[in-house]
Amino acid sequence: AQSVTQLGSHVSVSEGALVLLRCNYSSSVPPYLFWYVQYPNQGLQLLLKYTTGATLVKGINGFEAEFKKSETSFHLTKPSAHMSDAAEYFCAVSETDSWGKLQFGAGTQVVVTP
Amino acid sequence: KAGVTQTPRYLIKTRGQQVTLSCSPISGHRSVSWYQQTPGQGLQFLFEYFSETQRNKGNFPGRFSGRQFSNSRSEMNVSTLELGDSALYLCASSLKGALGYTFGSGTRLTVV
Repeated sequence: AQSVTQLGSHVSVSEGALVLLRCNYSSSVPPYLFWYVQYPNQGLQLLLKYTTGATLVKGINGFEAEFKKSETSFHLTKPSAHMSDAAEYFCAVSETDSWGKLQFGAGTQVVVTP
Repeated sequence: KAGVTQTPRYLIKTRGQQVTLSCSPISGHRSVSWYQQTPGQGLQFLFEYFSETQRNKGNFPGRFSGRQFSNSRSEMNVSTLELGDSALYLCASSLKGALGYTFGSGTRLTVV
C-alpha cells in the first residue's frame, strides 16, 4: 500500500526567500513521484515528476525536487519565492506507470508575504 | 491543443437527487481518471477508465459510478446525493496512465 505525508498544512514565506515543502512517502515498490500545484478555483497543474534516473528533478516555474530513497522523501524547493507562488501544493505517488491511480498528500498551502 | 474540459463548472443539487458530470479528455488520450476533492478528505481517487473499460476503482460506495465512451469522453454519476458529496470533482486524462496526467478545472458540486 502507498501513502503520502506532507509536513505542514500551511507555510508562510517571504518574497525572495527559499521555499521548502516536505513530502515523505511509503510504497511497497519503487514509486513514481509527483508535485502538483493548485490555484484557487482551478484544477491541478503538474510541477514535476520523478520516474527513474536522475534523482534531482527540475520542473516548471523554477521548482525542483530531490528523490531520496533512503529517506523516502521527495521535498520540493524553489530558491526564491515569488508572489505568484501562493497556491496549494500536493505531493503524489503512483506505484505504476500503466495505471492512472495517484495517491495524494493532504496538501500544503503556501502564503507569500511581501 | 485543447485541454481537459469538464462540464458543468458549478452545480447545485438537492439531497436524494442524482447528478451526471462530464469530462472531455485531450484528443488522443485514452485514460480518464476521476478524483473527489473535499476540505476534510483531500484528494481521493474515484475510478479510472481506459478504452471504455474501468480498470481501477477507489473506495467509494456504489452510488458513484462512471463510464467511458468510444470517443474517450467520460461521465460520472452520483445517485441519491448526500450532503457529504459536496466537493470539487476533478477529471484527468493521459495517453496511458499516471505519468502524463492533465487535469481539468473541475466541477464544483454543492448538495443542499
